[in-house]
Amino acid sequence: DAGVIQSPRHEVTEMGQEVTLRCKPISGHDYLFWYRQTMMRGLELLIYFNNNVPIDDSGMPEDRFSAKMPNASFSTLKIQPSEPRDSAVYFCASSYLTDTQYFGPGTRLTVL
Amino acid sequence: AQRVTQPEKLLSVFKGAPVELKCNYSYSGSPELFWYVQYSRQRLQLLLRHISRESIKGFTADLNKGETSFHLKKPFAQEEDSAMYYCALRRGSTLGRLYFGRGTQLTVWP
Repeated sequence: DAGVIQSPRHEVTEMGQEVTLRCKPISGHDYLFWYRQTMMRGLELLIYFNNNVPIDDSGMPEDRFSAKMPNASFSTLKIQPSEPRDSAVYFCASSYLTDTQYFGPGTRLTVL
Repeated sequence: AQRVTQPEKLLSVFKGAPVELKCNYSYSGSPELFWYVQYSRQRLQLLLRHISRESIKGFTADLNKGETSFHLKKPFAQEEDSAMYYCALRRGSTLGRLYFGRGTQLTVWP
């Protein structure tokens, strides 16, 4: 298994543009998590899903952020419109039941 | 509410010296505690969890409920231990979700 897959690995965009980050969890996992990592705030949970249903989105910064999980093998995190303060590394992780979370390689987002 | 505190953002030691990365938590119930590690250019990965009571790569961590701490220790640090370390907590009532501390960047000098 290739593990959790994220794309793109790097994204550079201009302020105001829409950004879509993608995640493919490990097959058979029923939990999917989106995190944001910054120097100032460390690792923050944005939202997580269980069996494709959003369980807790209280970490989503504001309405500009949205996440979907249309099926068990795919999730997206969208930022529209993007702002420079959104620049961060975004991680996706998946787990089976309450077992270990496996993280993807991350997407490094830079908003100019 | 729950909270995980890692008081040191940066920690430097010399090779062969003992190292302790501090983690304190606040939670009124019985938590599960974890240490995750992120080596340079690698994915964040689980290092150890308190319920396993095991030693991984020479690291150990003991849950001290009286002091609400879960410090990570290694008696002799190695250069390859240089990484970002995150302490995390899971509540029994919220399946799946982890609460992370802000992380400690450990540098082991030769």
